[in-house]
Amino acid sequence: KNEVEQSPQNLTAQEGEFITINCSYSVGISALHWLQQHPGGGIVSLFMLSSGKKKHGRLIATINIQEKHSSLHITASHPRDSAVYICAPHTGNQFYFGTGTSLTVIP
Amino acid sequence: NAGVTQTPKFRILKIGQSMTLQCTQDMNHNYMYWYRQDPGMGLKLIYYSVGAGITDKGEVPNGYNVSRSTTEDFPLRLELAAPSQTSVYFCASIRQGLSTNTEAFFGQGTRLTVV
Repeated sequence: KNEVEQSPQNLTAQEGEFITINCSYSVGISALHWLQQHPGGGIVSLFMLSSGKKKHGRLIATINIQEKHSSLHITASHPRDSAVYICAPHTGNQFYFGTGTSLTVIP
Repeated sequence: NAGVTQTPKFRILKIGQSMTLQCTQDMNHNYMYWYRQDPGMGLKLIYYSVGAGITDKGEVPNGYNVSRSTTEDFPLRLELAAPSQTSVYFCASIRQGLSTNTEAFFGQGTRLTVV
């Protein structure tokens, strides 16, 4: 059973497109994290959410606690956004990880 | 990720050798984690710690040991290395509390090959 479902698994977009990645989870959480991992690279935290919405530059993350759903949006996508995006609910003890969304942005 | 320092970045071990992966954070985070990531796969939890002196097993603890004698340090020990332990290892930390949740910080990763 998967505690975290992420969609889509793979996504190819043209530069400038608006992108949405969805995450549904079944565990009770204290917060939900969105992570970014570039190929062969390290892992960077993009957002930590416990409610509502956050915005950093072209990235927006939302969460609906009641529906156990979160979305990550990228506005005006750029080739440097190409990476794997991971949804990671935190239960207050451990992280659960989605399988990741592999995003490729074509110039 | 200046907050979590993980060493070494690369290592090649022979079967049966042992080594320690070091992880240090200077953010006074209470929670620390060790994960492994196999090629094309997600992160799997090896061990975690909720504070100094407290550790607990994750999903894949066999072949590994940890200790948490201080808040800052969370080393991962591999005894009798096996080819199945070839992977990329990540250390992570977070401050988790009733009103003090923080973002997660990850080390840069250790690429380990056992031959």
